[in-house]
Amino acid sequence: KNEVEQSPQNLTAQEGEFITINCSYSVGISALHWLQQHPGGGIVSLFMLSSGKKKHGRLIATINIQEKHSSLHITASHPRDSAVYICAVGLGSYQLTFGKGTKLSVIP
Amino acid sequence: GAGVSQSPSNKVTEKGKDVELRCDPISGHTALYWYRQSLGQGLEFLIYFQGNSAPDKSGLPSDRFSAERTGGSVSTLTIQRTQQEDSAVYLCASSLVAGVTGNTIYFGEGSWLTVV
Repeated sequence: KNEVEQSPQNLTAQEGEFITINCSYSVGISALHWLQQHPGGGIVSLFMLSSGKKKHGRLIATINIQEKHSSLHITASHPRDSAVYICAVGLGSYQLTFGKGTKLSVIP
Repeated sequence: GAGVSQSPSNKVTEKGKDVELRCDPISGHTALYWYRQSLGQGLEFLIYFQGNSAPDKSGLPSDRFSAERTGGSVSTLTIQRTQQEDSAVYLCASSLVAGVTGNTIYFGEGSWLTVV
């Protein structure tokens, strides 16, 4: 079974700061997802990665397959970025293993 | 529909009662997934449908849990004789085709179940 660890568990940042959230997993995968969960529970898929780096607006996600590690970066953070960010990994099938999430609070 | 739709959004039920949670996936999505998020816990996989078939039900926590999907569209998750430990957010997701690789997964807003 894949173990997915996220760090930090909680993160408080000032508006405008550069933010990094980390995800490590124990077993080789074929895809890694970064998800955003807002208060109220709704989940949005931000990125799906199998290698390299992806960028969408102020969000950047990277993955190092050899090191079994991924990072999610947020540039010029804003209070609306406040949410729980969840890393999920999959091994060529439908079943995702989820991290426990990183709760981000961005203070104006 | 435009997104994955779940109902009810909130449900409070008495211990021992049965509940049904409904998921309406994005039109044309053949794969449908149910996940559960208990308070303070991460998301856990429950069951997956490809069309109307559920190839893997291994995530269902007990035989009180069952799910079906009809017409390759709407799915219902049923919990019989609810227990307090069933209190959680039940999330449905869908993707165009089966499998994680190469697929964007779209999540619903979740059904918040509280068993009192």
